[in-house]
Amino acid sequence: GDSVTQTEGPVTLSEGTSLTVNCSYETKQYPTLFWYVQYPGEGPQLLFKVPKANEKGSNRGFEATYNKEATSFHLQKASVQESDSAVYYCALTQSSGSWQLIFGSGTQLTVMP
Amino acid sequence: EAAVTQSPRNKVAVTGGKVTLSCNQTNNHNNMYWYRQDTGHGLRLIHYSYGAGSTEKGDIPDGYKASRPSQENFSLILELATPSQTSVYFCASGGTSNTEVFFGKGTRLTVV
Repeated sequence: GDSVTQTEGPVTLSEGTSLTVNCSYETKQYPTLFWYVQYPGEGPQLLFKVPKANEKGSNRGFEATYNKEATSFHLQKASVQESDSAVYYCALTQSSGSWQLIFGSGTQLTVMP
Repeated sequence: EAAVTQSPRNKVAVTGGKVTLSCNQTNNHNNMYWYRQDTGHGLRLIHYSYGAGSTEKGDIPDGYKASRPSQENFSLILELATPSQTSVYFCASGGTSNTEVFFGKGTRLTVV
């Protein structure tokens, strides 16, 4: 079945440094890819999505490029802030047939002031 | 504003007892999902539904049943709760193609 693998956490960074969270996926079909973010006490919420290969998604300074050849979708931010501290999830859904939404294991990010 | 409401928010159950977790969405979404969240495992899909009357097995359905009596409501049922089912459970809803999926705030279940 479909699967998503992402950077093992936790990740601790200082404010102003750069972030990369690796995500790779396996699917036999053509997926739509997502990054979700979860703050303490809340459910996950959509950060951004990218439905098409070789396109980039972005929001709040975070970005990721859907690399179909490498089956990767790494999350990046040039300069993290303390308010970015959260759990980040890579996810995919197939573009047809089953509408399962499959998540990676999550990466806990802590940003120190 | 998209809304997914879970009840109860916290539940303590005894081993062998029956537990029902409820979810209501006002988004008029066809797709609904139940996940459990555990440290080291992220969000794992238990059951999902394409609409009223339908339920499908996700990746970890053993020990769980689901019910979708209407577009708005989707329940997760533990007929014989076990301590291994202690977890945080999230319900979510999504429209066609899952353009955006909205989550509830979660239910913390402890089975003692």
